[in-house]
Order: sequence, then structure tokens, then C-alpha cells
Amino acid sequence: GEDVEQSLFLSVREGDSSVINCTYTDSSSTYLYWYKQEPGAGLQLLTYIFSNMDMKQDQRLTVLLNKKDKHLSLRIADTQTGDSAIYFCAESIGSTNAGKSTFGDGTTLTVKP
Amino acid sequence: GEEVAQTPKHLVRGEGQKAKLYCAPIKGHSYVFWYQQVLKNEFKFLISFQNENVFDETGMPKERFSAKCLPNSPCSLEIQATKLEDSAVYFCASSPSGMNNSPLHFGNGTRLTVT
Repeated sequence: GEDVEQSLFLSVREGDSSVINCTYTDSSSTYLYWYKQEPGAGLQLLTYIFSNMDMKQDQRLTVLLNKKDKHLSLRIADTQTGDSAIYFCAESIGSTNAGKSTFGDGTTLTVKP
Repeated sequence: GEEVAQTPKHLVRGEGQKAKLYCAPIKGHSYVFWYQQVLKNEFKFLISFQNENVFDETGMPKERFSAKCLPNSPCSLEIQATKLEDSAVYFCASSPSGMNNSPLHFGNGTRLTVT
């Protein structure tokens, strides 16, 4: 079956790097996603990585994928107070199932000034 | 529009009453998805549409839940005879295609409280 797990909380100081980790169990995952949810809002797609890649960088965001260990991480460089939110990891299988991803329970990131 | 619009923002229903939630996808997006977010942030996929046709309904509870996307109307999610455990935030998302690299655009959700 599919299962995506994340640690529930992370607290960092402004300016530090944040690393949010995620593990998944389905080895046939094709895409892995990171979403951000701010209070009272829906999910915002931050980035995604195809399973044949091991790294993707997009400005302050770096995604690392270890397919052997089924481990995904999101690093946010120079974390700002505006980065405080819940971050969800998600996986999907197959090429046409973007909407039917399996989500983790989210990591609440708190950035202290 | 350029945003997924969900109405109402909040909905309170007594147990046994009907609840109806609406979603206007982004213009030009042919896929619509409904998700249920319950306590502990768990996101549960409910149903997806390709235009007005059901694409995947494997997450929909067999009873009491129904959904439609009709031409020239907002999509809707209806819950008959609500139960306490239906209390959740219901999110709608739309996408230009059903491909995995086509981003989902989420609305801000409807918070349903069943008392």
C-alpha cells in the first residue's frame, strides 16, 4: 500500500536553513511533490521531482531524492518568517494521476525571528 | 477566473442535514479534484472530473456523498444526511491536464462543521 510519512514539527531561526524530511513506501512512485499550506489557504505547489532525478534546485529550495531509501527532503535556504507554514510531501504513481496523490500529514515549520 | 473559487468559506450543519459545497475552477482547466482534510492534516482524495465527466471516484464514500461538474456551472460536492465525522475542510483543485507534471491549483477550502 501507499504511505507517506513526515515529522510533524520543525522550528528554526530566521536565516538558518530548514530541512524537512519525508519517507514513502511505494517504489513505483513516479513524481514526488512538496506543497506549502498557509493558514486558511489551500495547498500551493512549491516544487516536484521526477523519480529518475536525485536533485532539483529552484532558488532557495533544494529537493533531494534517495530512491533506494525512499527518502525525500526539502531544504529551504535562508529561511524567512514568511516561510512559516505546513509543508506536505506527496507522491503519485503513473503519468496521469497528479490529482490523486498520497499526502503525508504535513510538517509545521515555525520560523523564529 | 485566475483562482479556484470555493463557496461558502464556512458551513455549519446540524447532524442529518444536507450540505452543498461549490467550486469554480480556473477558466480553461479541464480537471477538477475534491479533497477532504480532516484533523491531523490528513488529505483524502475524494473524486476527480475531466470536464463534466467523472474521471476517478475511488475516494468517494459510497453513501451520502455525490459530486457534479456541469457545463457553465460551478462544480458541486453534496453530502446528504451529514454526520459528525464529515466535519472537515473540503478543498477543490483544478488543473489544465491530468498529467503528473501539471500543477494543481487549490482553492481556499470550505470548512464544514457538523453539530
